[in-house]
Amino acid sequence: DVKVTQSSRYLVKRTGEKVFLECVQDMDHENMFWYRQDPGLGLRLIYFSYDVKMKEKGDIPEGYSVSREKKERFSLILESASTNQTSMYLCASSSLPGELFFGEGSRLTVL
Amino acid sequence: KQEVTQIPAALSVPEGENLVLNCSFTDSAIYNLQWFRQDPGKGLTSLLLIQSSQREQTSGRLNASLDKSSGRSTLYIAASQPGDSATYLCAVRGESQAGTALIFGKGTTLSVSS
Repeated sequence: DVKVTQSSRYLVKRTGEKVFLECVQDMDHENMFWYRQDPGLGLRLIYFSYDVKMKEKGDIPEGYSVSREKKERFSLILESASTNQTSMYLCASSSLPGELFFGEGSRLTVL
Repeated sequence: KQEVTQIPAALSVPEGENLVLNCSFTDSAIYNLQWFRQDPGKGLTSLLLIQSSQREQTSGRLNASLDKSSGRSTLYIAASQPGDSATYLCAVRGESQAGTALIFGKGTTLSVSS
């Protein structure tokens, strides 16, 4: 079975803190994605990566950055967390261009 | 820009009923379409993937159809059970964007009562 693992299910951070969300997949997928999900807004793409060290902005990249140093790992970074970044963050991976698989999600609360 | 719509937003049915969830998309030039299930507070679980050349896919009590020309897909659930209660989302990948991200609908929240 494909496994996409997000390191933290629940996080509580303070405004201005730097936040790292980690995602690891075990299927040698080329593509990895970060989405955020908010009530009434659905899933919105933050960033995606189609290869190591490659990244593309999604629909809402402002306030976020990403890192992909190894094929299996894709990190989302909030340089200075703000309350409007309180959300559910979902990591996903796929082969090119196959079925998309998601992790369990990381619920981030910024106080 | 591709838009994906799912109607209704919520649906309640008694156990045992057969039901259909709808998904429509504005740009028919899609590479594939995928249906997901999401339980509260959890990630998305892939249910079915339909390539643009396919008309339907089946898995157990689930059957998904695709009509590219009309920009529609349906997810048919046979003999619904309380355990089917969840939010169902559809997502499409554009034909010219085979390596990029899916565009999601906002989902239909299904409640099956026993």
